[in-house]
Amino acid sequence: DAMVIQNPRYQVTQFGKPVTLSCSQTLNHNVMYWYQQKSSQAPKLLFHYYDKDFNNEADTPDNFQSRRPNTSFCFLDIRSPGLGDAAMYLCATSRAFETLAKNIQYFGAGTRLSVL
Amino acid sequence: ELKVEQNPLFLSMQEGKNYTIYCNYSTTSDRLYWYRQDPGKSLESLFVLLSNGAVKQEGRLMASLDTKARLSTLHITAAVHDLSATYFCAVDPSGGYQKVTFGIGTKLQVIP
Repeated sequence: DAMVIQNPRYQVTQFGKPVTLSCSQTLNHNVMYWYQQKSSQAPKLLFHYYDKDFNNEADTPDNFQSRRPNTSFCFLDIRSPGLGDAAMYLCATSRAFETLAKNIQYFGAGTRLSVL
Repeated sequence: ELKVEQNPLFLSMQEGKNYTIYCNYSTTSDRLYWYRQDPGKSLESLFVLLSNGAVKQEGRLMASLDTKARLSTLHITAAVHDLSATYFCAVDPSGGYQKVTFGIGTKLQVIP
């Protein structure tokens, strides 16, 4: 059973038209992450939530925002998508300071965003 | 700034052969992860290495960690076509917070 669920799997938007990507989890993990992965590149961390505390990476553009209304859900908002924002967006969760043997991130299937 | 380097970036090998992927990182860390990604798919956790000298094996894959050398290896034994994928290492210097930095990935192609 899927534990980290991302919707939609594919999203097409127009240049400059706001878009929201969704992530939900059934693991009750306290940390949720958003990564951007462009073709043939490594995933790049955009930001993460530690419980309700939002932590933005220094080089994440202001165009990217996030919301976490409760433990289970996290949203990625792209206010004005540009052509360079076309990528796979991955959501992941973990339990901070978990016992070492369980110290892993669980990834969702990703949302592939196209910008026309 | 933490840097994570993988090599080779691309690996084409015949079935039945052995090979090793290397992951070097620049900052002290005792947590390293290996992930697999199939084309167009998400990341699948393969191994978690949590201490110097750690060795984990699953099927034809074996991962090890040398924290003193800041080096991890992913060894492939008798490769099969199903292992074709991109393999990422990721380093977590945050002490259990999981704020990882990924290497650029090694694209493995196993030729029948």
